[in-house]
Amino acid sequence: GAGVSQSPSNKVTEKGKDVELRCDPISGHTALYWYRQSLGQGLEFLIYFQGNSAPDKSGLPSDRFSAERTGGSVSTLTIQRTQQEDSAVYLCASSLRPPATTDTQYFGPGTRLTVL
Amino acid sequence: GNSVTQMEGPVTLSEEAFLTINCTYTATGYPSLFWYVQYPGEGLQLLLKATKADDKGSNKGFEATYRKETTSFHLEKGSVQVSDSAVYFCALSDLAYSGAGSYQLTFGKGTKLSVIP
Repeated sequence: GAGVSQSPSNKVTEKGKDVELRCDPISGHTALYWYRQSLGQGLEFLIYFQGNSAPDKSGLPSDRFSAERTGGSVSTLTIQRTQQEDSAVYLCASSLRPPATTDTQYFGPGTRLTVL
Repeated sequence: GNSVTQMEGPVTLSEEAFLTINCTYTATGYPSLFWYVQYPGEGLQLLLKATKADDKGSNKGFEATYRKETTSFHLEKGSVQVSDSAVYFCALSDLAYSGAGSYQLTFGKGTKLSVIP
């Protein structure tokens, strides 16, 4: 079946603009995660959804970052007033059920965000 | 908090050489351990995992054993191929560290492997 998909694959924006990044998880996966991959910081957790609620937002770096999930499926990560330090690859992952430490997270190909 | 430390790269090996990528971890609870691989131009893929002490994860000729006494999960392959060239990430998932039961993954910095013919 289809894997996790993300769009756009690349996004170039100007400093100060808002951007929206989309994630389509694997059908039936209830848990959804956003991570950020940057040269300086490696892979960092941003936010976790179980269904449409986000019980763990502890990784969001500032209040310019927000995310929502609708219908227990598609998620959108929004970055307002983008800064150059937001440049990174944003990865989405999903897992099958209410998660456990043993569960595998399946990753999408990522959205490469460049802020000029 | 939790952390994962893996050997710095890049690592360059000749085809058919033996590979070891070291990974050690610090965890609050009793984590599950993972190796993910990122091939050039592709997303992260699970390579193998182990969920309890002394478990051995294996896939595509790669192996790693969960060693609780040494808090390690070293990745090994007996004979690497050019197609194994990629970035390898060690990661853990630990409920005791996860906010609201998120089971977020904590990753190492990644090790870039290049295999030359």
